[in-house]
This record gives sequence, structure tokens and C-alpha cells, in this order.
Amino acid sequence: EAGVVQSPRYKIIEKKQPVAFWCNPISGHNTLYWYRQNLGQGPELLIRYENEEAVDDSQLPKDRFSAERLKGVDSTLKIQPAELGDSAVYLCASSSPRSNTGELFFGEGSRLTVL
Amino acid sequence: AQSVTQPDIHITVSEGASLELRCNYSYGATPYLFWYVQSPGQGLQLLLKYFSGDTLVQGIKGFEAEFKRSQSSFNLRKPSVHWSDAAEYFCAVGFPGYSSASKIIFGSGTRLSIRP
Repeated sequence: EAGVVQSPRYKIIEKKQPVAFWCNPISGHNTLYWYRQNLGQGPELLIRYENEEAVDDSQLPKDRFSAERLKGVDSTLKIQPAELGDSAVYLCASSSPRSNTGELFFGEGSRLTVL
Repeated sequence: AQSVTQPDIHITVSEGASLELRCNYSYGATPYLFWYVQSPGQGLQLLLKYFSGDTLVQGIKGFEAEFKRSQSSFNLRKPSVHWSDAAEYFCAVGFPGYSSASKIIFGSGTRLSIRP
């Protein structure tokens, strides 16, 4: 079984530029999460999807961040324009509807550096 | 408010020594509890989880954790660490009642170093 796939693994951009991250969850996992992990910190939830519906986006900075999961499978997280403080690792995770305890399966993350 | 605290930022233990990493949470009921491990440049991997039943849970790689309701704690233990256990460890808490999937929040992590 393939795991959660994220791309790109690394991205370096200048501030004010846009950037997008892509995530393909494990097949059959209807819940998808985007987390941001700053250096030396734990992951912080940005947005949670159930199928194509964003059920928790309270921590997503909506002035510059957007996300979509149009067909309830893969998802894209976008930042426009990027700021220096956005440098972090962006983690995607998914969970199965059969796991009502919420066990998460993580991708390897996309490391963003904003110069 | 719901929160999870890992009071130790960095711990160093000798190879072969025992290990205990601390985790405390704040919540009005019993949450779901997890420990994840993150090796450098890697995603997070689940070590173990607790959601009900026996308060001592066994996980992968020889780790175990004990849920203590009275202390709101879920400490991770290993009787004898190996050099390959050097990594970042995250305690996570899931709060039941949110739709079909839990809201999961993470502690700030404890970095484990192994002394040869």
C-alpha cells in the first residue's frame, strides 16, 4: 500500500512569490490534514478535510493561504504571496474512516524556504 | 482549553539505558493519545496509541506508554535505548466528539540524543 505522497520535497522561493504544495493521501482515506511544522516545534494544524469539505480551517491564515480538495482525493495548499515567516515544513496526513481514533499517516513533508 | 505539553525539550541518555519521555494534556474528558517519532528529514511515524481499555499500551520498536488519568499524563518509556532511537518524539492528543475524525493536536516535541 502506497503511503501519503507529497511534492515537492523542497522549495526555495523569494518573498512575495507564490508557492503550491501537493498531497495524495492513502487510497480510501477520506480525511486529509495539512499541518505546518516550524523548526523545533510540533506540527500545527492548518486545515482538515473530510472528503472535499473543509471541516476545520480555523488556523489557516486566509489572507494568503488557500487549500482545495476538489474531488475528495488529492489536495493542494497554496501560499500567495509568501513571507519570510512561512519558512517551515508543510506536512500532509490522512486517516481512514475505519479508524475512529484518528490515527494519522504522514507524508515526508515539503520543506519551504523563503528568502 | 485543550492543550498538550512536553516539558522536556532535549534529553540525552546513554545507549542501553532506560528512557522516559513526559507528556501532559489538558482536557475535560479522556482523549485519544498518541506518540509519534520523527527521524531527520522524515515524516512522523506512529509508535503507539491509547483510546480505551488497558492503560499500559505497547508499541513498535520496544516502546510502551502508560495513561494515568489522575495525572493527565501519557509518558513514553523504553527499558533499553538503541542508537537508532535518536529522533524527535511527539505526543499528540485527539479529542473525541468531532465528526468522524478527531481533531489532533501535537506537543512541541522532545529531541532524544543517544550517548555512545
